[in-house]
Amino acid sequence: DTEVTQTPKHLVMGMTNKKSLKCEQHMGHRAMYWYKQKAKKPPELMFVYSYEKLSINESVPSRFSPECPNSSLLNLHLHALQPEDSALYLCASSKVPMNTEAFFGQGTRLTVV
Amino acid sequence: GESVGLHLPTLSVQEGDNSIINCAYSNSASDYFIWYKQESGKGPQFIIDIRSNMDKRQGQRVTVLLNKTVKHLSLQIAATQPGDSAVYFCAENIYNAGNMLTFGGGTRLMVKP
Repeated sequence: DTEVTQTPKHLVMGMTNKKSLKCEQHMGHRAMYWYKQKAKKPPELMFVYSYEKLSINESVPSRFSPECPNSSLLNLHLHALQPEDSALYLCASSKVPMNTEAFFGQGTRLTVV
Repeated sequence: GESVGLHLPTLSVQEGDNSIINCAYSNSASDYFIWYKQESGKGPQFIIDIRSNMDKRQGQRVTVLLNKTVKHLSLQIAATQPGDSAVYFCAENIYNAGNMLTFGGGTRLMVKP
């Protein structure tokens, strides 16, 4: 099983809403990542979790709040987003947080209205 | 290739021909490189990787070449098929920085039947 599963696939939310994106992998990977991808642009790293601990936060605004409840799950909690936050949010995982291939999920297409 | 504004560089090839997609990376400290394929509406899919102690690596129908002197990476796809049509990203990583993949701008490959 080389799958990273993200839910939901699509999400439309208002600027005052609170929502969460979920990511799950059962490959025993100990590093998990959130990336943001705007149209026609490459993915940009947001957060890295290494052995369930937040190791990297790429200066992401606090309206995005990551959570790693266990080694298989990664959440991204969203609150008071702006329309410019609309993007494809990608979750990825890798065996260890160092120089190994990262497997990506299909992404959640988020639209903020 | 590097993206300019909202326009991805595009490579158009005939089915059956070989394709070469180029990427210039930015950090001379980068020591691990991955090529990803991203189809419309999907997450990036791992194609092949290469470490900085190598200058060539081959997979099934794909070859990656690394020239550290000029910080250049290329992906060669043999006998290109319509299913190869996608956006291709190179990604670089720096060993001591953790698995923080930095993606290049992307190149759209279009295969004409």
